[in-house]
Amino acid sequence: GAGVSQSPSNKVTEKGKDVELRCDPISGHTALYWYRQSLGQGLEFLIYFQGNSAPDKSGLPSDRFSAERTGGSVSTLTIQRTQQEDSAVYLCASSSRDRGRYGYTFGSGTRLTVV
Amino acid sequence: AQKVTQAQTEISVVEKEDVTLDCVYETRDTTYYLFWYKQPPSGELVFLIRRNSFDEQNEISGRYSWNFQKSTSSFNFTITASQVVDSAVYFCALRPIIQGAQKLVFGQGTRLTINP
Repeated sequence: GAGVSQSPSNKVTEKGKDVELRCDPISGHTALYWYRQSLGQGLEFLIYFQGNSAPDKSGLPSDRFSAERTGGSVSTLTIQRTQQEDSAVYLCASSSRDRGRYGYTFGSGTRLTVV
Repeated sequence: AQKVTQAQTEISVVEKEDVTLDCVYETRDTTYYLFWYKQPPSGELVFLIRRNSFDEQNEISGRYSWNFQKSTSSFNFTITASQVVDSAVYFCALRPIIQGAQKLVFGQGTRLTINP
């Protein structure tokens, strides 16, 4: 696609429910990144993929968070048993070269609200 | 470990004023990239510039300019003759230049408001 696409754009869920957030990167981009941005805060790294493998998942806050990527393309971030502190904007980015020479292209994010 | 510090949380200026956003970083890597991103109210991060650690030449793009000082580990961003459309949150970021995908480490961001 022309850009990084994330869905849904907004998600309101009840505490304790599971949610899935989807990221569709730019076609051909081998690297994919997930970040979280809490209200008024900076960007917190969660996980990145090189192809389908995740060399660095050190930013995942707890074992309630998991992510996968299939076919070197679409990625899904899953949050189980959501908590109110999970409320944030979840941003996905992809890059065309391993060294990120041209920066990353970010999606518009999924705004998650846990009530 | 890498760290990026943007000490200015919020800046507010009147249109047409010049404004400088500060960025200071820490890294043990000898080669790295530095970035600036703009996040307008729509939320999407927009890539502005990338700088190599081995190239300290300053860069100007229209009303935007960047001052990279390796000796002080700073990569400051100046907007000349600011406009209301420049209002956004600006992020400075760092990543090492090594093989393989690597995460960007972001600063906390500076919220810039340009008042008419």
